[in-house]
Amino acid sequence: GAVVSQHPSRVICKSGTSVKIECRSLDFQATTMFWYRQFPKQSLMLMATSNEGSKATYEQGVEKDKFLINHASLTLSTLTVTSAHPEDSSFYICSARVPLGDTIQYFGAGTRLSVL
Amino acid sequence: AQRVTQPEKLLSVFKGAPVELKCNYSYSGSPELFWYVQYSRQRLQLLLRHISRESIKGFTADLNKGETSFHLKKPFAQEEDSAMYYCALSLGGPGKLIFGQGTTLQVKP
Repeated sequence: GAVVSQHPSRVICKSGTSVKIECRSLDFQATTMFWYRQFPKQSLMLMATSNEGSKATYEQGVEKDKFLINHASLTLSTLTVTSAHPEDSSFYICSARVPLGDTIQYFGAGTRLSVL
Repeated sequence: AQRVTQPEKLLSVFKGAPVELKCNYSYSGSPELFWYVQYSRQRLQLLLRHISRESIKGFTADLNKGETSFHLKKPFAQEEDSAMYYCALSLGGPGKLIFGQGTTLQVKP
């Protein structure tokens, strides 16, 4: 099946620094990728839809200047948490859609971000 | 507004007992519904989708538009079914998913 790789799996950073998380589709091309945030013992909340070659579409309440998304190729989307603060600490998960109209999403393993 | 509700945070059953994980949705369009599962220390993965109408690992789910439900069922639970289960609604267009809160299924020996 389709495989999505997410890197790093865990990152610890100091407050005020920026962190980049990568999401790669390994064996398929993904025109659309999604970024989610998951708080402890809670569900996944969609942050943004990442479209190859165009600007990401952010959900209401998500700061686009805080969470920069770049989808420069058909196999790579990146999420950069800029000027991270402790409240940004969370589990971030990406997913990718197989093209040709199928709506199934394949998920990465997630990135645990801890901001000190 | 679009919404997915899973009323039970935790469902605990004994091995061999029937299981039903509840999911209700709210959506004005034509719904496309999924069940995703997350086993311990693993990534989220698709379990089944309503348009497939198939049984995966003994699980089935039927879309009931009248009751706006998509409950997940299995007649005889196994210990390896213990996991977190998420019901999800796909919206049109880019295929955004709206997730329910998740239900932890615990199958005791």
